[in-house]
Amino acid sequence: DIQMTQSPSSLSASVGDRVTITCRASQGIRKDFSWYQQRPGKAPKRLIYAASILQSGVPSRFSGSGSGTEFTLTISSLQPEDFATYYCLQHNDFPWTFGQGTKVEVK
Amino acid sequence: QVQLQESGPRQVRPSETLSLTCTVSGGSISTYFWTWIRQPPGKGLEWIGYIFDSGRTNYNPSLKSRVSMSVDLSRNEFSLSLSSVTAADTAVYYCAKEMGLWGQGTLVTVSS
Repeated sequence: DIQMTQSPSSLSASVGDRVTITCRASQGIRKDFSWYQQRPGKAPKRLIYAASILQSGVPSRFSGSGSGTEFTLTISSLQPEDFATYYCLQHNDFPWTFGQGTKVEVK
Repeated sequence: QVQLQESGPRQVRPSETLSLTCTVSGGSISTYFWTWIRQPPGKGLEWIGYIFDSGRTNYNPSLKSRVSMSVDLSRNEFSLSLSSVTAADTAVYYCAKEMGLWGQGTLVTVSS
């Protein structure tokens, strides 16, 4: 199985901060990769697909980059509704696998 | 606008079969593939598998011997069966259109 390792596992930030989350794959996955946001008690919501394409309706403060084995999610200016857990997903090889999650908390 | 809704028993006894249905509204189930994902309480996400409208499936090998999916085009719904459940199968189960649009999820507890 392809292992997806997110870092950090958690972070504390303030409204307006620039936040960066990284996901590393144990082998190359091209751009078969997505980012998800999950608020407490809610279903995950896809933010980014194909590593860097913004899902329709997602604010432009979210951006994704990377290919191969290293990927980054950036929130340019953190908003109150962005405090949540973020997951990465690879769908390059079966079984599809998620990262362990990064919890973004209020500083 | 397409919406997905999971339904099924919220509690299943150990060794029995968990069965869930995902009803798709606002769009046809044809053309796309449909996915099941689960999340144990307080833990991360696990991909269970997917099914195409044709019935072609792909399952997570960790569950492959116990999982089965089906699709009913006439009812615009697809289903998940997971046999021989244990407490480790207690989770919120989500259905999704491909991996882009998810249902709200349903908590299934395995308990006697």
